[in-house]
Amino acid sequence: DTGVSQDPRHKITKRGQNVTFRCDPISEHNRLYWYRQTLGQGPEFLTYFQNEAQLEKSRLLSDRFSAERPKGSFSTLEIQRTEQGDSAMYLCASRRQAGGYEQYFGPGTRLTVT
Amino acid sequence: GENVEQHPSTLSVQEGDSAVIKCTYSDSASNYFPWYKQELGKRPQLIIDIRSNVGEKKDQRIAVTLNKTAKHFSLHITETQPEDSAVYFCAASIRRDDKIIFGKGTRLHILP
Repeated sequence: DTGVSQDPRHKITKRGQNVTFRCDPISEHNRLYWYRQTLGQGPEFLTYFQNEAQLEKSRLLSDRFSAERPKGSFSTLEIQRTEQGDSAMYLCASRRQAGGYEQYFGPGTRLTVT
Repeated sequence: GENVEQHPSTLSVQEGDSAVIKCTYSDSASNYFPWYKQELGKRPQLIIDIRSNVGEKKDQRIAVTLNKTAKHFSLHITETQPEDSAVYFCAASIRRDDKIIFGKGTRLHILP
């Protein structure tokens, strides 16, 4: 499968714990985006990278959230001191800088904070 | 920032009939309008998109229209089939490299 992949697919954690998610974009896609989707809502933008540079962060991304893409390939999203309000589906998407506009989404990581 | 409103939130149509979903956007600088379909438990998938220099685009049973003056865009699905049942999201983007701003979604039910 050469699509966007995310790991893990599901994560259950207790409030206050730290979690880290991984996204592997389609190879040669140098743009990588993170979105959060809560039940019954559309995806909400969190942040995006061009290669290893983080170009924009949403106001939704509090200080407890950090994202990295150290080598311009895979990316990680870490949430520290998780809260129940962090429970959501975290979606990763990627696209080529040159070429079409389409962002290709991964299957998402569903986070449940108990 | 950009805001995208989508209506209706739920839509039920008889199989074979047409379905229309309408969206409005707030930022006149938006120039790219994708539509995504999301089945239960699955990733959003692009079904059609339109750029601001085009007023209408069609792909088989699916068509999108864009009215830049009114900042409206719509999705039309004709001859609906059971597999069209899903949640549909409209979205807007200001630049080709920019984040996508999504509407809240329309849950489409195709009735037998």
